[in-house]
Amino acid sequence: SYELTQPPSVSVSPGQTATITCSGDKLGDKYTCWYQQRPGQSPVLVIYQDTQRPSGIPERFSGSNSGNTATLTISGTQAMDEADYFCQAWDKSTVVFGPGTKVTVL
Amino acid sequence: QVQLQESGPGLVKPSQTLSLTCTVSGDSIRSGEYYWTWIRQPLGQGLEWIGFIYYSGTTYYNPSLKRRLSISLDTSKNQFFLRLNFVSAADTAVYYCARWYASGSAGWFDPWGHGTLVTVSS
Repeated sequence: SYELTQPPSVSVSPGQTATITCSGDKLGDKYTCWYQQRPGQSPVLVIYQDTQRPSGIPERFSGSNSGNTATLTISGTQAMDEADYFCQAWDKSTVVFGPGTKVTVL
Repeated sequence: QVQLQESGPGLVKPSQTLSLTCTVSGDSIRSGEYYWTWIRQPLGQGLEWIGFIYYSGTTYYNPSLKRRLSISLDTSKNQFFLRLNFVSAADTAVYYCARWYASGSAGWFDPWGHGTLVTVSS
């Protein structure tokens, strides 16, 4: 079965850039999306189709996908961005989630 | 604005059946644009896709759950349902319903319900 890997945690200072990676075999040949989950809340879609931002998601969230790695970038990170982030792909009629990355804003 | 709301028992005994309902408002599950989905998350852990259903009744299931799983819908009530048989403590989780949009080879979940905690315990 297809698997996605993510770093367990990323730390970032306020105003700096947070980079979260998601790796999988030939992931660049698939579309990836990203979800933000704040403590005690449901996940929220922040990036879809690798690079697209849903309405209402701040411009500081951006995504890319190439080779074996998809990347979520948060520019000018704010305290409210502290959350878990999950990547997700669709492979052979199966939805796969990454294990999640906890972003801490120090 | 589309909203999804999960409902059902919060406690299920081992070996019994977990049954949940998702009620959709602000959109029709007959619209044909979306699939209607169940996802779960054990406390403090990651997300696991359970499966989804199209308005026609076509289903896609997680292979690891397939033999215990049934997802169905009632278009007249704008609801869809999850049944998971022979549960164990490993099925204890927050269960979410969500709307899946597929575009070519891409797909994503938006929005999600608030989630409901189901505990499997005697």
